[in-house]
Amino acid sequence: GAVVSQHPSWVICKSGTSVKIECRSLDFQATTMFWYRQFPKQSLMLMATSNEGSKATYEQGVEKDKFLINHASLTLSTLTVTSAHPEDSSFYICSARETGAWETQYFGPGTRLLVL
Amino acid sequence: AQTVTQSQPEMSVQEAETVTLSCTYDTSENNYYLFWYKQPPSRQMILVIRQEAYKQQNATENRFSVNFQKAAKSFSLKISDSQLGDTAMYFCAFMKYEGDDKIIFGKGTRLHILP
Repeated sequence: GAVVSQHPSWVICKSGTSVKIECRSLDFQATTMFWYRQFPKQSLMLMATSNEGSKATYEQGVEKDKFLINHASLTLSTLTVTSAHPEDSSFYICSARETGAWETQYFGPGTRLLVL
Repeated sequence: AQTVTQSQPEMSVQEAETVTLSCTYDTSENNYYLFWYKQPPSRQMILVIRQEAYKQQNATENRFSVNFQKAAKSFSLKISDSQLGDTAMYFCAFMKYEGDDKIIFGKGTRLHILP
């Protein structure tokens, strides 16, 4: 089946630094990727929709200048948490929708971010 | 706007028993997809089953089956012969029948399979 990877799987950083998380579709092309945030014991909250070659669409309440998304190729989207603060600590999950097969999203394994 | 409601925050059943997880949703759309996703302790999201709203026949995947009641906007998941590996968080989800739309998740039901 289709595989989506995320890197890193976990990261610890100091407050004020920026952290980049990569999401890759390994065996398919993904025109659209999604970024979610998940707090402990809660559901997935969609942060933004990332479309290859165009600007991301952010959900209401998500700061686009803080969570920078780049989808420069059909297999890679990146999420950069700029000037991270402890409240940004969370589990970040990406998913990818295969080009031409939009009804199924494949999820990455997630990235745990801890900001000290 | 679409909403997905899972009214059971947590459930426990004995191994080998059958368990049903409830889900209701609200939408004005006529064509859409419904999903059940499993999130085990590893936190990897796994698609369990998918139902197209235009299909009257309930979807099944081995021990997993759904009871899709379109008029009632209900989409329950039945797990037969439950196994310890079924212990996970289960999310019911909705997606409009359009190419660019997003998945809307319920709050989840934490399922414990007891030995």
